[in-house]
Amino acid sequence: QKEVEQDPGPLSVPEGAIVSLNCTYSNSAFQYFMWYRQYSRKGPELLMYTYSSGNKEDGRFTAQVDKSSKYISLFIRDSQPSDSATYLCAMSYVNQAGTALIFGKGTTLSVSS
Amino acid sequence: NAGVTQTPKFQVLKTGQSMTLQCAQDMNHNSMYWYRQDPGMGLRLIYYSASEGTTDKGEVPNGYNVSRLNKREFSLRLESAAPSQTSVYFCASKQQSNQPQHFGDGTRLSIL
Repeated sequence: QKEVEQDPGPLSVPEGAIVSLNCTYSNSAFQYFMWYRQYSRKGPELLMYTYSSGNKEDGRFTAQVDKSSKYISLFIRDSQPSDSATYLCAMSYVNQAGTALIFGKGTTLSVSS
Repeated sequence: NAGVTQTPKFQVLKTGQSMTLQCAQDMNHNSMYWYRQDPGMGLRLIYYSASEGTTDKGEVPNGYNVSRLNKREFSLRLESAAPSQTSVYFCASKQQSNQPQHFGDGTRLSIL
């Protein structure tokens, strides 16, 4: 079982739809949770960063963390064609040996106008 | 507001050639990282530097070397390029252990 599982998609939705992107993980030591957005031929761009269970909202984006179920989600409201990208989840923990950061393989999202 | 800058953006090499990929950050970050991204494989860590003067191997270090030249710059060297090293290479940096990483826009490397 891989440490972080993410459905690669592709996921295609019409403009204005609510999008739900998800990752599951197996290591209960993960403390910090991130979502990155990656446009074609660009580097990953940090979208959301959280270290606790619950919801964090930023404009049309909501990150949700459920540590008891080892499950994180990113919701995009009123999706736009400009949201078409690959979304990477990432999670990390800090211990005496340093920081371990693990990425999901990414979900490709296409929003059509 | 440059952030993380990688050079070159594209490169084509022949098998056996050597090359150094450059990375510089202007955010005064302590830690720097090199990843490769391949279809279906996601981001894989090659080497990292937790602080100036230190470097450590990541998940896929074979065939690569790194140099943390100073706090700003972290280079990745391929001594004898192989077709299996065809990939997109990303450099990232962060301030401290519980902070997220910030990425450059990558170097697309093809080895024939």
